[in-house]
Amino acid sequence: NAGVMQNPRHLVRRRGQEARLRCSPMKGHSHVYWYRQLPEEGLKFMVYLQKENIIDESGMPKERFSAEFPKEGPSILRIQQVVRGDSAAYFCASSYQGNSYEQYFGPGTRLTVT
Amino acid sequence: QQQVKQSPQSLIVQKGGISIINCAYENTAFDYFPWYQQFPGKGPALLIAIRPDVSEKKEGRFTISFNKSAKQFSLHIMDSQPGDSATYFCAADHSGSRLTFGEGTQLTVNP
Repeated sequence: NAGVMQNPRHLVRRRGQEARLRCSPMKGHSHVYWYRQLPEEGLKFMVYLQKENIIDESGMPKERFSAEFPKEGPSILRIQQVVRGDSAAYFCASSYQGNSYEQYFGPGTRLTVT
Repeated sequence: QQQVKQSPQSLIVQKGGISIINCAYENTAFDYFPWYQQFPGKGPALLIAIRPDVSEKKEGRFTISFNKSAKQFSLHIMDSQPGDSATYFCAADHSGSRLTFGEGTQLTVNP
C-alpha cells in the first residue's frame, strides 16, 4: 500500500529557471494539499486541489506559482523564474475526502535555488 | 486568528521521562487537532489526533489532552525513548480544507 509519492526528492535550479514538483496521492485519495517548509520553520499551507479543481489557493504566492491536479496523472506544483527565497522543502499531502481531515504526507521535494 | 502557537521550541528529556508539548489556538472554528512527528529529511507523519468533543485521547505512549475553554491542547509522550527524538508539530483544521501548523518542537531524548 504505497504512500504519498513525490519526485524529485531533490531539485537544484538556477535563478530564473522553472521548477516542477510532482505528487502522486495515496491510492484511493482524491484530495491533494501542498505545503512549504522553510528551514527551521513549520509548514505553511499553499494550495488544496481535487481532481481538475483548485479548491483553495489562498496560501499561494500571487505570482510565479501555480498548481494543478489533472484527471490523469500526478499533481504538479510549478514555480516559474525561481529566486533564492524559493529554496525550501515542499510537501504534498493527500486525504480520502476533503472532510476526512486525515492528511498523509509525502517525503517532500527539497528545492535549492543557486 | 489563524495561528497556532506551540511551545517549547526545544525540549530535552531523559530516557524514561515524560515529554510535554503545548499548543494554543485562537480560531474557535477549528475542530480537528492532529500531531505530526518529523524526522530529519522526512515528511511529517501523523501521530495522533483529537476532536474537541473529547478531553483526552491515548494511543500507546502518546496522549493528547484538550482544553476547549482555554483553547489549548498538549501532547504527552510517556516513557520517552531515544527513538522519539524528532520534531513534533501540532496543527489545527476546520472543514478539512487546510492544516495550520505550530512552529514545531525539537525533542531530544537522552539515553
